Amino acid sequence: KQEVTQIPAALSVPEGENLVLNCSFTDSAIYNLQWFRQDPGKGLTSLLLIQSSQREQTSGRLNASLDKSSGRSTLYIAASQPGDSATYLCAVRRNNNDMRFGAGTRLTVKP
Amino acid sequence: NAGVTQTPKFQVLKTGQSMTLQCAQDMNHNSMYWYRQDPGMGLRLIYYSASEGTTDKGEVPNGYNVSRLNKREFSLRLESAAPSQTSVYFCASSDTDRGRSNQPQHFGDGTRLSIL
Repeated sequence: KQEVTQIPAALSVPEGENLVLNCSFTDSAIYNLQWFRQDPGKGLTSLLLIQSSQREQTSGRLNASLDKSSGRSTLYIAASQPGDSATYLCAVRRNNNDMRFGAGTRLTVKP
Repeated sequence: NAGVTQTPKFQVLKTGQSMTLQCAQDMNHNSMYWYRQDPGMGLRLIYYSASEGTTDKGEVPNGYNVSRLNKREFSLRLESAAPSQTSVYFCASSDTDRGRSNQPQHFGDGTRLSIL
């Protein structure tokens, strides 16, 4: 059974810091890994999707890496801003309809 | 372009009552999903529909039924609500046509359901 773990559960940083969020998964037979952002009371917004054949994806200040063999992914946020405060979730997909989520990391960026 | 729309946004039920949560997407996606999110846990798949007219069980289907009314709409029904079904319910859709598995899922804003 695929297990997805995100560490830390919560993180607080001052504005301007670079930070890394971690995601680990137990079964390396995945199709892709997706990072989401969730604001309080809202749904999930897709940030980055890394296909199983890729090593990383970048979008603006965000960079996600994937090491399938070790079952790890990281989300790097450069020059963090208060507007980045949210919960970040990772999810791995094994087939079209089997997507397993981590519990998320709650990020607070202090002005 | 509204994306994925869920109704209602909030609901309080008494134990034993029934209710249907509605979901509609306007992106012409073939696959639709229902998840529940509980505190301290990741989202868990309840049911999914890979195409109009088909539905399949996910990780936690007990106590729920679904209907894929057409390509746009996918509803989730609680026949006899229980306090353990208090949760936030999310609907999602994705383009998995022709076997594509590398398209992102798009989520609605959720339905917050409390069962007393």
